Amino acid sequence: QKEVEQDPGPLSVPEGAIVSLNCTYSNSAFQYFMWYRQYSRKGPELLMYTYSSGNKEDGRFTAQVDKSSKYISLFIRDSQPSDSATYLCARSLYNFNKFYFGSGTKLNVKP
Amino acid sequence: DGGITQSPKYLFRKEGQNVTLSCEQNLNHDAMYWYRQDPGQGLRLIYYSQIVNDFQKGDIAEGYSVSREKKESFPLTVTSAQKNPTAFYLCASTSGPGTSGGLNTGELFFGEGSRLTVL
Repeated sequence: QKEVEQDPGPLSVPEGAIVSLNCTYSNSAFQYFMWYRQYSRKGPELLMYTYSSGNKEDGRFTAQVDKSSKYISLFIRDSQPSDSATYLCARSLYNFNKFYFGSGTKLNVKP
Repeated sequence: DGGITQSPKYLFRKEGQNVTLSCEQNLNHDAMYWYRQDPGQGLRLIYYSQIVNDFQKGDIAEGYSVSREKKESFPLTVTSAQKNPTAFYLCASTSGPGTSGGLNTGELFFGEGSRLTVL
């Protein structure tokens, strides 16, 4: 069983739509959760970071963690063509030694 | 500006050759990582290092080697023993817990990547 499971997509939405990206994980240890955005042929950049259950907002982005169901989500409001990228979810254990990544979901926002 | 620099950005190798990918960071981070990315497979950990002169194998270390002689540098050698080396390679670093000053969130910073193609 993979540490983090993520639907690979691709996901195609019209501009302005609300996007929901989801991951599940299998370990219950205290840990951090992250969402990265990766444009084609570039390194991933951190979008959101959280360690607690509940929601965390940053502009148009909301990260949600449900530890009871081991489910993490990223919501993008008012999606823009510039949001077209691959989104990677990740988790790391408390001691930060290792990071586990999902396979990534490719998002295309059509103008 | 602080960050992680990977070079070269593109590299072509003939079968049977070893190649070395460079990774340099000026973030004063203790921990550094090498990942391999293939289409549809996400990031797979090759090697990581938490301190100078120490490193550990990741999930797919066979056919790769690393060194960590300096805090800011973590080069990766792709040896001829790696059967399928064509991939996108990413170097990353993090400050980790207990670091005074700067970020202490476990955020993992990535370089821009190196694309290796075997001819």
